[in-house]
Amino acid sequence: GNSVTQMEGPVTLSEEAFLTINCTYTATGYPSLFWYVQYPGEGLQLLLKATKADDKGSNKGFEATYRKETTSFHLEKGSVQVSDSAVYFCALSEGSGGYQKVTFGIGTKLQVIP
Amino acid sequence: NAGVMQNPRHLVRRRGQEARLRCSPMKGHSHVYWYRQLPEEGLKFMVYLQKENIIDESGMPKERFSAEFPKEGPSILRIQQVVRGDSAAYFCASSFPNSIYGYTFGSGTRLTVV
Repeated sequence: GNSVTQMEGPVTLSEEAFLTINCTYTATGYPSLFWYVQYPGEGLQLLLKATKADDKGSNKGFEATYRKETTSFHLEKGSVQVSDSAVYFCALSEGSGGYQKVTFGIGTKLQVIP
Repeated sequence: NAGVMQNPRHLVRRRGQEARLRCSPMKGHSHVYWYRQLPEEGLKFMVYLQKENIIDESGMPKERFSAEFPKEGPSILRIQQVVRGDSAAYFCASSFPNSIYGYTFGSGTRLTVV
């Protein structure tokens, strides 16, 4: 079945540091890939997405590139801020049983310190 | 232009009571998904519903849990005879029929069983 593997957290960075959160996936076909963000006490918000190989999703300074050859969708940001502290979920969506089913990774907690 | 509305935000139940969690999907969305998030764990799929139909309930515990999405009104996740292990955050998401573009999540209901 489909699965998403992302790096264990927590990740602690100083403000303005470079961020990478690794994500790899296993899927039988050609999934769409997503990053969601969850701020404390809130639900998940879609951060960015990519629907086909070599697509780059970007939003709020974050970006991720759909790499089919390495089955990866790593999240990056050049300069993190304290307000980026949250849990980040990698996810994939693929047709299964007649509908697009979304599978989530375990989540990576990011803590940015001033 | 309300998003996905979940209520209540917080719910406290004694062991053996029933818990009812409600979810109103985003306007125009006809598909509803329920996920459970245990402390320090990722999101676990529970059930996928369309109006008046359960499409995939492969993640639902076999006993005590049920879900519905009636023709009129919100989707309901019902937990009978709650136990301490049911304490978790329950998230509802909705989408258009083709979720290739991702889900919209509600803010969740945090259930505490005492």
